[in-house]
Amino acid sequence: SFELTQDPAVSVALAQTVRITCQGDSLRTYYASWYQQKPGQAPILVIYGKNKRPSGIPDRFSGSTSGNTASLTITGAQAEDEADYYCHSRDNSGNHVIFGGGTKLTVL
Amino acid sequence: QVQLQQSGPGLVRPSETLSLTCTVSGASISNDYWSWIRQPPGKGLEWIAYMYYSGSTNYNPSLRSRVTISVDPSNDQLSLKLSSVTAADTAVYYCARLLGTAMMDYFDLWGHGTLVTVSS
Repeated sequence: SFELTQDPAVSVALAQTVRITCQGDSLRTYYASWYQQKPGQAPILVIYGKNKRPSGIPDRFSGSTSGNTASLTITGAQAEDEADYYCHSRDNSGNHVIFGGGTKLTVL
Repeated sequence: QVQLQQSGPGLVRPSETLSLTCTVSGASISNDYWSWIRQPPGKGLEWIAYMYYSGSTNYNPSLRSRVTISVDPSNDQLSLKLSSVTAADTAVYYCARLLGTAMMDYFDLWGHGTLVTVSS
């Protein structure tokens, strides 16, 4: 079981906006970070902290938090955004790293 | 450009010890936290442990009794040992750099991953 809960699958029409969520009590205290993983590849960091993007990540990716829910928003989803997305934060004690179960994003 | 190069056997027999190494190039391992993460086939990510070069470590409670993580600053290498493996330990294993502050952390660099299969 995961202390961070994600929807298993989400779909979005090409060029539309999609929000992928991550729920957990620890998100009231710790920021989430988000990773994109395509088949056969290592995850890559797309959002961290309050809403920071690593160099090279398109600005259509953004992050936010409200209460116990962190969100990754893709504004104008592209075909290349089709991937699995994982959130990561700390557990309720703050002592250990945890990942959400992942969300498979399909771009229609 | 910082790169993480992983090495180690892709096949381990049940009850034996899995051993992997991650070599950091383009940066010093002495400056940050370094971690191991794994992903069973078709499943999600599971954090294993992280370590600071000075020796401070933190382990996933579910794996703590079987895991040893170490850093060799002289060779910029991170190592993982997982003892008494079973088929449930079959996974792609990643090394990664962990950055952050007290209120957030993130894995900004990842190795390419090593598929380790536990089988006789």
